[in-house]
Amino acid sequence: GENVEQHPSTLSVQEGDSAVIKCTYSDSASNYFPWYKQELGKGPQLIIDIRSNVGEKKDQRIAVTLNKTAKHFSLHITETQPEDSAVYFCAASKGGGSNYKLTFGKGTLLTVNP
Amino acid sequence: NAGVTQTPKFQVLKTGQSMTLQCAQDMNHNSMYWYRQDPGMGLRLIYYSASEGTTDKGEVPNGYNVSRLNKREFSLRLESAAPSQTSVYFCASTQGTSNYGYTFGSGTRLTVV
Repeated sequence: GENVEQHPSTLSVQEGDSAVIKCTYSDSASNYFPWYKQELGKGPQLIIDIRSNVGEKKDQRIAVTLNKTAKHFSLHITETQPEDSAVYFCAASKGGGSNYKLTFGKGTLLTVNP
Repeated sequence: NAGVTQTPKFQVLKTGQSMTLQCAQDMNHNSMYWYRQDPGMGLRLIYYSASEGTTDKGEVPNGYNVSRLNKREFSLRLESAAPSQTSVYFCASTQGTSNYGYTFGSGTRLTVV
């Protein structure tokens, strides 16, 4: 089955700096790569996603890049703010319908210091 | 619009007791999922239901059973709770076809003593 590795496990940055979280996946058939943000005591929330026919996607201060050849994708957060502090999960899946299952990385705890 | 609702939010069980975690979604989603979250382990899939009337095992199904009661509801049952099942349990749903995004509930924190 699919295996998703996520690095780093913890990341501490100063407010205003950029943060980058990287993930690799094992199944070359995977074609959908979402990122989730989980705040303390809450469920994960989808913040951005990318499909395999796209190399980069941006939404305000966050962006995701995908390198299908190397089987890795990254989350970039610019101009970080204290409210960006949370656990971030990457995930991968292939297909839809009964084949649609997300495999998650183990998460990155991002701390933005004021 | 409530999204995905999980009950209860917290539960303490004694070893060997049974309980059912409830999940309901109001978004007319086809697919529903149960994950457990443990420190340093990320989110691991227990069981899922691709559509009403079907259920399949995920990565860590041992010790659990599920029921897709109808399109809205997907329950997770622990028949004989063990301390290793102490975890935070999340239910999620998705349309499962053209829309791939999961919507998660707020979780159930279960402690087995």
